[in-house]
Amino acid sequence: DVKVTQSSRYLVKRTGEKVFLECVQDMDHENMFWYRQDPGLGLRLIYFSYDVKMKEKGDIPEGYSVSREKKERFSLILESASTNQTSMYLCASSSPGQGITGANVLTFGAGSRLTVL
Amino acid sequence: DQQVKQNSPSLSVQEGRISILNCDYTNSMFDYFLWYKKYPAEGPTFLISISSIKDKNEDGRFTVFLNKSAKHLSLHIVPSQPGDSAVYFCAASLREYGNKLVFGAGTILRVKS
Repeated sequence: DVKVTQSSRYLVKRTGEKVFLECVQDMDHENMFWYRQDPGLGLRLIYFSYDVKMKEKGDIPEGYSVSREKKERFSLILESASTNQTSMYLCASSSPGQGITGANVLTFGAGSRLTVL
Repeated sequence: DQQVKQNSPSLSVQEGRISILNCDYTNSMFDYFLWYKKYPAEGPTFLISISSIKDKNEDGRFTVFLNKSAKHLSLHIVPSQPGDSAVYFCAASLREYGNKLVFGAGTILRVKS
């Protein structure tokens, strides 16, 4: 019954490494999002995408990039990981129609906890 | 500048009593407000939402109240159960911003049995 799958639950990387976080959804949703969760700061939006090959910056895009080559897959890339990117990363998806007729309810994956040493 | 604020980092409640979680916002144009619940090592799950044109929405033990003049909403859980112990996030969205969700910092609820 898993709808949004994040491939890595726990990762430990070294400063300067390139990191890929993968997210796949099976609900045929157009919208996909990457958030990071930090204590006292809640969930902050990094990047989002409303369609294949399309991407938009969120509130904290610095140090990150994304890729959306297929509708069901949205990847978050840390080009050169730094210790301040140690965090819980959450992928989510939603259907655009939800935002028209009602609240834009996001379905989240289980999260990827990244530690950068 | 946080547009959605949850000023109580934690709340402890006895089983069977009411839990009240609060949320304040600054943007009066928000269209919808949502509450999510998050257990450790899991992703947030949607709980309940309310449109900005309503002042109350109820779903079983969960009721959300919206006070637009005060830019304040609250989530009431009655009766509280130990399984309700989790982090609760308040979120808001605005259609002209693409319906992106803006989240608060979260409140940890502990329900004691």
